[in-house]
Amino acid sequence: EVQLVQSGAEVKKPGESLKISCKGSGYTFTSYWIGWVRQMPGKGLEWMGIIYPGDSDTTYSPSFEGQVTLSVDKSITTAYLQWSSLKASDTAIYYCARLSPGSNNWFDPWGQGTQVTVSS
Amino acid sequence: QSVLTQPPSVSGAPGQRVTISCTGSNSNIGADYDVHWYQQFPGTAPKLLIYGKNKRPSGVPDRFSGSNSGASGSLVITGLQAEDEADYHCQSYDRRLRSWVFGGGTKLTVL
Repeated sequence: EVQLVQSGAEVKKPGESLKISCKGSGYTFTSYWIGWVRQMPGKGLEWMGIIYPGDSDTTYSPSFEGQVTLSVDKSITTAYLQWSSLKASDTAIYYCARLSPGSNNWFDPWGQGTQVTVSS
Repeated sequence: QSVLTQPPSVSGAPGQRVTISCTGSNSNIGADYDVHWYQQFPGTAPKLLIYGKNKRPSGVPDRFSGSNSGASGSLVITGLQAEDEADYHCQSYDRRLRSWVFGGGTKLTVL
């Protein structure tokens, strides 16, 4: 079974750093792009960026470029989303999802989500 | 402000047919990029519902179908059931933004 399992909920203060993870299993991890999606409280989904575990090639949404960093450790089939200085507005649920191959891509499956709360 | 526009809410009685629209532009759906649909229950992750040209993953009932027309896509649910009450999100690709884009989501209420 193809599966993405994310790290647990985090509570942080503004200005702190954070790295959350997404572990893939049940498929060749290095052959599929992994995307990250934000869902702010009561809002829709926003694509943040994608990373290719095979060579760590990344593409960021213009809205998130410079705000977050994507990385992978293919030896443990895990992708990461990282902030260097959190803001209260980063409070949201963050999902990782596998991008389908080829063109006209969709996201499937999705991780269970990681709740990030930033509050002083 | 989402790139794709969905109605915030729709409703229908059990057994009825409901349609959820997803309006884009000539740089995404209108540029012949497929519209994909996800179903999300409260407190859970989105789940792929419709992908490509109206394809359903294994386990998704054929009561769910998708279609495109011009710069818009639609999700149609026939024979509405109480268990269909959820949020529905559309997704496509935008060539001008070079980004994968989502709609704002639609809450379906089964009356």
